[in-house]
Amino acid sequence: DVKVTQSSRYLVKRTGEKVFLECVQDMDHENMFWYRQDPGLGLRLIYFSYDVKMKEKGDIPEGYSVSREKKERFSLILESASTNQTSMYLCASSLSGGAETQYFGPGTRLLVL
Amino acid sequence: AQSVTQPDIHITVSEGASLELRCNYSYGATPYLFWYVQSPGQGLQLLLKYFSGDTLVQGIKGFEAEFKRSQSSFNLRKPSVHWSDAAEYFCAVGAAGGSYIPTFGRGTSLIVHP
Repeated sequence: DVKVTQSSRYLVKRTGEKVFLECVQDMDHENMFWYRQDPGLGLRLIYFSYDVKMKEKGDIPEGYSVSREKKERFSLILESASTNQTSMYLCASSLSGGAETQYFGPGTRLLVL
Repeated sequence: AQSVTQPDIHITVSEGASLELRCNYSYGATPYLFWYVQSPGQGLQLLLKYFSGDTLVQGIKGFEAEFKRSQSSFNLRKPSVHWSDAAEYFCAVGAAGGSYIPTFGRGTSLIVHP
Protein backbone atom coordinates (compact mmCIF):
# COMPACT_ATOMS: atom_id res chain seq x y z
CA ASP A 1 0.00 0.00 0.00
CA VAL A 2 1.08 3.51 -0.74
CA LYS A 3 1.83 5.48 2.33
CA VAL A 4 1.93 9.24 2.56
CA THR A 5 2.95 10.61 5.91
CA GLN A 6 2.90 14.16 7.19
CA SER A 7 5.21 15.34 9.93
CA SER A 8 2.52 16.65 12.27
CA ARG A 9 -1.21 16.09 12.75
CA TYR A 10 -1.68 19.28 14.74
CA LEU A 11 0.46 22.38 14.91
CA VAL A 12 0.10 25.66 16.78
CA LYS A 13 2.28 28.58 15.73
CA ARG A 14 2.46 32.29 16.35
CA THR A 15 2.05 35.01 13.75
CA GLY A 16 5.33 35.73 12.01
CA GLU A 17 6.90 32.35 12.70
CA LYS A 18 8.43 30.31 9.89
CA VAL A 19 6.57 27.02 9.60
CA PHE A 20 7.70 23.81 7.93
CA LEU A 21 5.28 21.08 6.95
CA GLU A 22 6.87 17.91 5.69
CA CYS A 23 5.43 15.15 3.56
CA VAL A 24 7.00 11.81 2.70
CA GLN A 25 5.75 9.15 0.29
CA ASP A 26 7.13 5.66 -0.02
CA MET A 27 6.04 4.59 -3.52
CA ASP A 28 8.50 6.37 -5.78
CA HIS A 29 5.79 8.66 -7.12
CA GLU A 30 6.74 11.39 -9.55
CA ASN A 31 4.12 13.92 -8.54
CA MET A 32 3.54 15.49 -5.16
CA PHE A 33 1.00 18.10 -4.16
CA TRP A 34 0.16 20.45 -1.32
CA TYR A 35 -3.46 21.42 -0.81
CA ARG A 36 -5.20 23.62 1.63
CA GLN A 37 -8.70 22.65 2.77
CA ASP A 38 -11.16 25.12 4.26
CA PRO A 39 -14.89 24.66 4.98
CA GLY A 40 -17.00 25.41 1.93
CA LEU A 41 -13.98 25.92 -0.32
CA GLY A 42 -12.97 22.32 -0.93
CA LEU A 43 -9.36 21.57 -1.80
CA ARG A 44 -7.23 24.37 -3.17
CA LEU A 45 -3.89 23.59 -4.70
CA ILE A 46 -0.97 25.53 -3.27
CA TYR A 47 1.98 23.99 -5.13
CA PHE A 48 2.84 20.81 -6.89
CA SER A 49 6.00 19.12 -8.04
CA TYR A 50 6.44 16.69 -10.92
CA ASP A 51 10.09 15.92 -10.31
CA VAL A 52 12.92 16.52 -7.90
CA LYS A 53 13.76 20.22 -7.65
CA MET A 54 10.82 21.05 -9.92
CA LYS A 55 7.84 22.98 -8.65
CA GLU A 56 4.84 24.73 -10.08
CA LYS A 57 2.47 27.20 -8.51
CA GLY A 58 -1.07 26.13 -7.91
CA ASP A 59 -4.09 28.31 -7.35
CA ILE A 60 -3.06 29.96 -4.08
CA PRO A 61 0.75 30.07 -3.76
CA GLU A 62 1.00 33.48 -2.07
CA GLY A 63 2.64 33.27 1.33
CA TYR A 64 3.96 29.75 0.71
CA SER A 65 7.03 28.15 -0.77
CA VAL A 66 8.03 24.52 -1.31
CA SER A 67 11.09 22.38 -1.51
CA ARG A 68 11.68 19.02 -3.12
CA GLU A 69 15.29 17.96 -2.74
CA LYS A 70 14.52 14.24 -2.77
CA LYS A 71 11.90 12.38 -4.71
CA GLU A 72 10.10 11.06 -1.65
CA ARG A 73 9.94 14.31 0.31
CA PHE A 74 7.98 17.50 -0.39
CA SER A 75 8.05 20.33 2.11
CA LEU A 76 5.69 23.25 2.42
CA ILE A 77 7.07 26.40 4.01
CA LEU A 78 5.13 29.29 5.44
CA GLU A 79 7.73 32.05 5.41
CA SER A 80 5.92 34.23 7.94
CA ALA A 81 2.77 32.62 9.27
CA SER A 82 -0.38 34.69 9.41
CA THR A 83 -3.74 33.99 11.02
CA ASN A 84 -5.39 33.58 7.60
CA GLN A 85 -3.17 30.56 7.04
CA THR A 86 -4.95 28.68 9.79
CA SER A 87 -6.25 25.68 7.90
CA MET A 88 -6.01 21.97 7.18
CA TYR A 89 -3.06 21.13 4.93
CA LEU A 90 -3.12 17.98 2.86
CA CYS A 91 -0.23 16.42 1.00
CA ALA A 92 -0.77 14.00 -1.86
CA SER A 93 1.29 12.03 -4.33
CA SER A 94 0.58 10.29 -7.61
CA LEU A 95 2.49 8.17 -10.05
CA SER A 96 2.44 10.63 -12.95
CA GLY A 97 -0.06 12.65 -14.89
CA GLY A 98 -3.49 13.96 -14.01
CA ALA A 99 -5.13 10.66 -14.82
CA GLU A 100 -3.57 8.85 -11.89
CA THR A 101 -5.01 8.22 -8.46
CA GLN A 102 -3.80 10.60 -5.80
CA TYR A 103 -2.79 9.22 -2.41
CA PHE A 104 -3.28 11.56 0.48
CA GLY A 105 -1.64 11.97 3.84
CA PRO A 106 -3.74 12.36 6.99
CA GLY A 107 -3.43 16.12 6.98
CA THR A 108 -1.93 18.73 9.28
CA ARG A 109 -4.29 21.03 11.10
CA LEU A 110 -2.43 24.30 11.59
CA LEU A 111 -3.55 27.00 13.97
CA VAL A 112 -1.79 30.36 13.75
CA LEU A 113 -2.33 32.60 16.74
CA ALA B 1 -10.07 23.83 -18.81
CA GLN B 2 -11.71 21.12 -16.79
CA SER B 3 -14.16 21.78 -13.97
CA VAL B 4 -16.26 19.80 -11.52
CA THR B 5 -19.53 20.73 -9.88
CA GLN B 6 -21.01 19.01 -6.87
CA PRO B 7 -24.35 20.76 -6.54
CA ASP B 8 -25.17 19.50 -3.05
CA ILE B 9 -23.17 20.92 -0.16
CA HIS B 10 -24.90 18.73 2.40
CA ILE B 11 -26.97 15.56 2.08
CA THR B 12 -28.84 13.99 4.98
CA VAL B 13 -30.07 10.41 4.83
CA SER B 14 -31.34 7.85 7.29
CA GLU B 15 -29.30 4.77 7.98
CA GLY B 16 -30.36 2.02 5.59
CA ALA B 17 -31.66 4.42 2.96
CA SER B 18 -30.21 4.65 -0.52
CA LEU B 19 -27.80 7.41 -1.48
CA GLU B 20 -26.93 9.31 -4.62
CA LEU B 21 -24.33 12.07 -4.67
CA ARG B 22 -24.22 14.17 -7.79
CA CYS B 23 -21.18 15.18 -9.79
CA ASN B 24 -21.10 17.07 -13.09
CA TYR B 25 -17.91 17.73 -14.98
CA SER B 26 -16.78 19.84 -17.86
CA TYR B 27 -13.99 18.56 -20.05
CA GLY B 28 -13.47 18.50 -23.79
CA ALA B 29 -12.07 15.00 -24.16
CA THR B 30 -12.64 11.70 -22.41
CA PRO B 31 -12.34 12.41 -18.73
CA TYR B 32 -10.74 10.39 -16.01
CA LEU B 33 -13.15 10.52 -13.10
CA PHE B 34 -12.65 9.84 -9.42
CA TRP B 35 -14.61 9.77 -6.20
CA TYR B 36 -12.75 10.23 -2.94
CA VAL B 37 -14.01 10.02 0.64
CA GLN B 38 -12.68 11.93 3.61
CA SER B 39 -13.60 10.70 7.07
CA PRO B 40 -13.53 13.32 9.84
CA GLY B 41 -9.99 14.45 10.61
CA GLN B 42 -8.47 12.27 7.89
CA GLY B 43 -7.00 12.60 4.43
CA LEU B 44 -8.83 11.58 1.28
CA GLN B 45 -9.15 7.97 0.20
CA LEU B 46 -10.05 6.75 -3.28
CA LEU B 47 -13.49 5.14 -3.50
CA LEU B 48 -13.51 4.39 -7.21
CA LYS B 49 -12.36 5.67 -10.58
CA TYR B 50 -13.42 5.55 -14.19
CA PHE B 51 -10.97 5.56 -17.07
CA SER B 52 -12.73 3.71 -19.87
CA GLY B 53 -14.87 0.68 -20.60
CA ASP B 54 -17.91 -0.24 -18.54
CA THR B 55 -19.67 2.94 -17.49
CA LEU B 56 -20.81 1.45 -14.20
CA VAL B 57 -17.86 1.31 -11.83
CA GLN B 58 -17.72 -0.59 -8.57
CA GLY B 59 -15.70 0.74 -5.68
CA ILE B 60 -14.85 0.00 -2.10
CA LYS B 61 -17.31 0.03 0.80
CA GLY B 62 -20.24 -0.93 -1.44
CA PHE B 63 -20.19 2.24 -3.54
CA GLU B 64 -20.70 2.45 -7.28
CA ALA B 65 -20.77 5.26 -9.80
CA GLU B 66 -22.12 5.58 -13.30
CA PHE B 67 -20.49 7.61 -16.05
CA LYS B 68 -23.03 9.25 -18.35
CA ARG B 69 -21.30 11.07 -21.15
CA SER B 70 -24.52 12.61 -22.50
CA GLN B 71 -25.18 14.24 -19.13
CA SER B 72 -21.54 14.93 -18.23
CA SER B 73 -22.22 13.25 -14.94
CA PHE B 74 -20.53 10.75 -12.66
CA ASN B 75 -22.94 10.22 -9.78
CA LEU B 76 -22.02 8.12 -6.77
CA ARG B 77 -24.54 5.65 -5.35
CA LYS B 78 -24.96 3.24 -2.51
CA PRO B 79 -28.06 1.11 -2.01
CA SER B 80 -28.02 1.13 1.80
CA VAL B 81 -26.11 3.69 3.84
CA HIS B 82 -24.36 2.83 7.09
CA TRP B 83 -23.66 5.30 9.89
CA SER B 84 -19.93 4.91 9.18
CA ASP B 85 -20.49 6.40 5.71
CA ALA B 86 -20.87 9.85 7.25
CA ALA B 87 -18.01 11.78 5.66
CA GLU B 88 -17.08 14.34 3.03
CA TYR B 89 -17.17 13.11 -0.56
CA PHE B 90 -15.19 14.65 -3.38
CA CYS B 91 -15.54 14.14 -7.09
CA ALA B 92 -12.51 14.85 -9.26
CA VAL B 93 -11.70 14.91 -12.97
CA GLY B 94 -8.27 14.30 -14.41
CA ALA B 95 -6.82 14.46 -17.87
CA ALA B 96 -4.41 12.17 -19.61
CA GLY B 97 -1.51 13.33 -21.68
CA GLY B 98 0.51 15.71 -19.64
CA SER B 99 -1.76 17.60 -17.29
CA TYR B 100 -0.59 16.78 -13.80
CA ILE B 101 -3.35 18.25 -11.76
CA PRO B 102 -6.77 16.78 -11.24
CA THR B 103 -9.62 19.18 -10.54
CA PHE B 104 -11.72 18.62 -7.44
CA GLY B 105 -15.29 19.56 -6.70
CA ARG B 106 -16.02 21.42 -3.49
CA GLY B 107 -17.30 18.31 -1.79
CA THR B 108 -20.58 17.01 -0.41
CA SER B 109 -20.96 16.42 3.29
CA LEU B 110 -23.00 13.30 4.06
CA ILE B 111 -24.91 13.20 7.34
CA VAL B 112 -26.43 9.88 8.39
CA HIS B 113 -29.31 9.81 10.86
CA PRO B 114 -29.83 6.66 12.95
